[in-house]
Amino acid sequence: DAGVIQSPRHEVTEMGQEVTLRCKPISGHDYLFWYRQTMMRGLELLIYFNNNVPIDDSGMPEDRFSAKMPNASFSTLKIQPSEPRDSAVYFCASSWDLVGETQYFGPGTRLLVL
Amino acid sequence: AQTVTQSQPEMSVQEAETVTLSCTYDTSENNYYLFWYKQPPSRQMILVIRQEAYKQQNATENRFSVNFQKAAKSFSLKISDSQLGDTAMYFCAFITTSGTYKYIFGTGTRLKVLA
Repeated sequence: DAGVIQSPRHEVTEMGQEVTLRCKPISGHDYLFWYRQTMMRGLELLIYFNNNVPIDDSGMPEDRFSAKMPNASFSTLKIQPSEPRDSAVYFCASSWDLVGETQYFGPGTRLLVL
Repeated sequence: AQTVTQSQPEMSVQEAETVTLSCTYDTSENNYYLFWYKQPPSRQMILVIRQEAYKQQNATENRFSVNFQKAAKSFSLKISDSQLGDTAMYFCAFITTSGTYKYIFGTGTRLKVLA
């Protein structure tokens, strides 16, 4: 397996623009997680899915953020409109189970909002 | 609230030496899992080692081992025979087997292995 795939790897956009981050989890994994990493706040869980269904989105910072998982092999995290404070590295991770299982992280998307 | 604390923002160690990274956590739960993840400059998060709280035996993975002290809520990582490739950020993480099921990550320790 190629591991968790994220695209794009880098994204530079202007404030107010819509940004869409994409993730392909490892085949067979039932759980998918979106994280945000910044120097100030460290690694934060934004939302996670189980079998394509959002289970906990309490980490999503604002209504400007939305995430979808239309099928088992694809998920998106969308920011609309984007703001400079959204600049961060966004990670997608997947795992077979929720508790006790290793989460496999993608390479991350480095987002810069100007 | 459950928290994970890594009190050492940065550390350095000479190549081939041993270094220990500290991690403490706070929880009222009895059953949980603890992890150490490594994040090299490439930014990919990689699992280093995993420990189940119900197991008294400390987990070991090649040059990496943990000192798990459940009563003290301490979970330190020991890296033996440090290699240049061990240079990375190391994150301690925790998840309970009940409740919110969220991974709680520490703020990380930046480790630099010196040649």
